[in-house]
Amino acid sequence: QKEVEQDPGPLSVPEGAIVSLNCTYSNSAFQYFMWYRQYSRKGPELLMYTYSSGNKEDGRFTAQVDKSSKYISLFIRDSQPSDSATYLCAMNNNDMRFGAGTRLTVKP
Amino acid sequence: KAGVTQTPRYLIKTRGQQVTLSCSPISGHRSVSWYQQTPGQGLQFLFEYFSETQRNKGNFPGRFSGRQFSNSRSEMNVSTLELGDSALYLCASCVEQGRTEAFFGQGTRLTVV
Repeated sequence: QKEVEQDPGPLSVPEGAIVSLNCTYSNSAFQYFMWYRQYSRKGPELLMYTYSSGNKEDGRFTAQVDKSSKYISLFIRDSQPSDSATYLCAMNNNDMRFGAGTRLTVKP
Repeated sequence: KAGVTQTPRYLIKTRGQQVTLSCSPISGHRSVSWYQQTPGQGLQFLFEYFSETQRNKGNFPGRFSGRQFSNSRSEMNVSTLELGDSALYLCASCVEQGRTEAFFGQGTRLTVV
């Protein structure tokens, strides 16, 4: 079993939809939780990070962490075609562990 | 402010050869981490350097090595290349070791034939 599990998708939604992306993890030592966005042929770009359980909102993006369930989520409201990318969850204790990435396509 | 710069962007090498990849972190960033990204395994941590010392190492064979210079620039080396080493190699820089705000370069696409 991988330390971080993420459904690779692909996920296709219409423009304006609410997107929910999720990851589960097994290592309870993880303290920091991140979401990265990666466009084709580019390096990952940090979207959000959270520490411990709770919610964090940044514009159309909301990150949730539930440490008791070892489950994290990223919600994208009013999704746009420019949100089409691969979304990677990542977790950090001493070094970073990434999920496999979910490929998202937002159709106009 | 310039971002993380990786050179070269693309490389084609033959099995058995060795390769050196370079990473220049964001100015003021002292930590550099290297990752291998493949379709099958995703992003995998190779190693992290801080103040010219390797601080953490992932589960890769000894053919993968790296170093960091006094100006925080880093290089990674892969010796005796195998077909399975074909991947996108990404470098990320942070202000300090273990910080969450890691900024990635565009990567070096290595193809081993």
